[in-house]
Amino acid sequence: ILNVEQSPQSLHVQEGDSTNFTCSFPSSNFYALHWYRWETAKSPEALFVMTLNGDEKKKGRISATLNTKEGYSYLYIKGSQPEDSATYLCASRNAGNNRKLIWGLGTSLAVNP
Amino acid sequence: EAGVAQSPRYKIIEKRQSVAFWCNPISGHATLYWYQQILGQGPKLLIQFQNNGVVDDSQLPKDRFSAERLKGVDSTLKIQPAKLEDSAVYLCASSFEWDTEAFFGQGTRLTVV
Repeated sequence: ILNVEQSPQSLHVQEGDSTNFTCSFPSSNFYALHWYRWETAKSPEALFVMTLNGDEKKKGRISATLNTKEGYSYLYIKGSQPEDSATYLCASRNAGNNRKLIWGLGTSLAVNP
Repeated sequence: EAGVAQSPRYKIIEKRQSVAFWCNPISGHATLYWYQQILGQGPKLLIQFQNNGVVDDSQLPKDRFSAERLKGVDSTLKIQPAKLEDSAVYLCASSFEWDTEAFFGQGTRLTVV
């Protein structure tokens, strides 16, 4: 994998459902993986920065895992609420490639009340 | 703590006109980024500053885009002349260092008609 890929592209769930998204990234020369939430008309907001293989991070009902050997990260939302509706972006930073963040296209989540 | 400030929030110009965006990063943040986000795509890094020096401008269309960060604080991004394909949200972000969490402004939505 040369780019950062996210799936699914979009997701519609009912309030109370749990859901998860995938971020695939280049595993060679890995440095860090970032997750951001971008709500309409607001600034992108950092959720997690993850660096170690096997990392698990949690913020309220949102959690993320990291597998640097195979190059993927999962973002989980437990008991989705309408206020979780947003685009979830992941970005990978390699130690090479001028160390810049490479962004995925995002997963657009809509939670219906 | 004040966040990243950007202005204007919205701008509509005709093609071949010029436009400038302004960003004031969080105080003390050495790294400043300008991103272009076209509808349906992930953010694309245009330029990254470390203090007042350019770290990466490989994706900046230098024939029409320019950016500066005088005194290592505020930054301006200019487009001259604008093309229809420049219609996008222009996001400014800053971080304490190049590998720490980035904080985003609310962006400037540019429409070129």
